[in-house]
Formats: sequence, structure tokens, C-alpha cells
Amino acid sequence: DIQLTQSPSFLSASVGDRVIITCRASEAINSNLAWYQKEPGKAPKLLIYTASTLQSGVPSRFSGSGSGTEFSLTIGSLHPEDFATYYCQQFNVYPLTFGGGTKVEIK
Amino acid sequence: QVQLVQSGAEVKKPGASVKVSCKASGDTFTRYRIHWMRQAPGQRLEWMGWVNPANGYTQYSQNFQGRVTITRDISATTAYMDLSSLGPEDTSIYYCARDCGAAGAPKNCFEPWGQGTLVTVSS
Repeated sequence: DIQLTQSPSFLSASVGDRVIITCRASEAINSNLAWYQKEPGKAPKLLIYTASTLQSGVPSRFSGSGSGTEFSLTIGSLHPEDFATYYCQQFNVYPLTFGGGTKVEIK
Repeated sequence: QVQLVQSGAEVKKPGASVKVSCKASGDTFTRYRIHWMRQAPGQRLEWMGWVNPANGYTQYSQNFQGRVTITRDISATTAYMDLSSLGPEDTSIYYCARDCGAAGAPKNCFEPWGQGTLVTVSS
């Protein structure tokens, strides 16, 4: 199975901060990576797919980049509703796999 | 706007099976694969498999060693996930989600998701 390693696993930030989360794949997955936001008690929400395509309705402060084995999710300026856990997911090969998550908390 | 509504929480004994439903509304049920995932406490999300509602074709994660079966009922616009030989390690929140690409061009990413169903396995 392809392993996805996210870093950091936890970060503390303030409203207005720029945040970058990285996801490293154990083998190359082209651009077949998605990012999700999950709030406690809620279902995940798709933010970005194919590494850099913004899902319809997602604010433009979210952006993604990367290909191969190194990917990143950037939140340009943190809003209060962005404090959540973020997951990457690869869809290049079966079984589809997720990263361990990055929890973004208020400083 | 499609919505996926899952069945309620379940408590099962070890060795039993559980069947979770996922009803789709607001869009054409047969146009998109339905995937199932789970998340155990403190663990990462884990993909289980998908069903193509148009033809019933399925793909499963080998990590479940044949214990998972995903089916659909077109008339009820509902997908089902059946997990057998339950153990305490199967205690998780189970989610269904629609593929973010249409069945003719699936992407194997997920949106939207159901609200989740807690399955607790305990003697």
C-alpha cells in the first residue's frame, strides 16, 4: 500500500496566518492526490483534487501544489472556520489511502 | 445538490455482521460510484471499496480479506456496506461518499460524504 506522511501532525496558528501542510507519498502518484477538511463531529469535505484543482465552492485562500511524491496544501490567510483537521488522500492506485492528518488549532 | 444520509448507530457482538445503508437524494443515483470509508478512534481514514450503482460492479480493499460486501438498490437509491466477522478493531465511524467524478470518468476522490455511522463492537 502507498503510505502518505503528513507534516506537521499538529500546528498552532492565528487568524490571518499563512499555513502550509505537506504530504509525502511512499512512491510516485503523479498528481492523483486530494485534500480534505474535517471538523469534529462532521464528515470530511473535499477541498482540492488532482493535486491543485479547487473543488467548486471552496474559498480561493486554499491552494494545492505538487506531483510525484511531494505535495502541499496552503491556506493563504487563516479564517476562524479553518481550524480543523486536514487529510491528504491518494487515488493513483488501489487501495486508496489517506494521510494521518494535520490538526490546525488556534494559537 | 446531492445528499447522502446514512443509517443509525449500531452495537454488535464479536463475530457478528453489520449492514450500513447510505441513501442518496437530489441527483441521479446511477451516475456516480459510491465509496465506503471508516475511521477508528485516533486512526487515519481507511478506504473499504466502491460500488458502481449503474451496474453493481464493485472494487474492494484487500485489507478487509473478503469481509466487506457493497451492494446497491437502484429503486431505493441506496447503497449498502456489509462487514462480517466483526472484531473490536472494527469499532469505527463508517462513511459513504460519492465519487467526485461521474461513473464514466471516475476520479476516486470523494464528495459529498454521508454523516457517518458509528459501529461499536463489544461483548
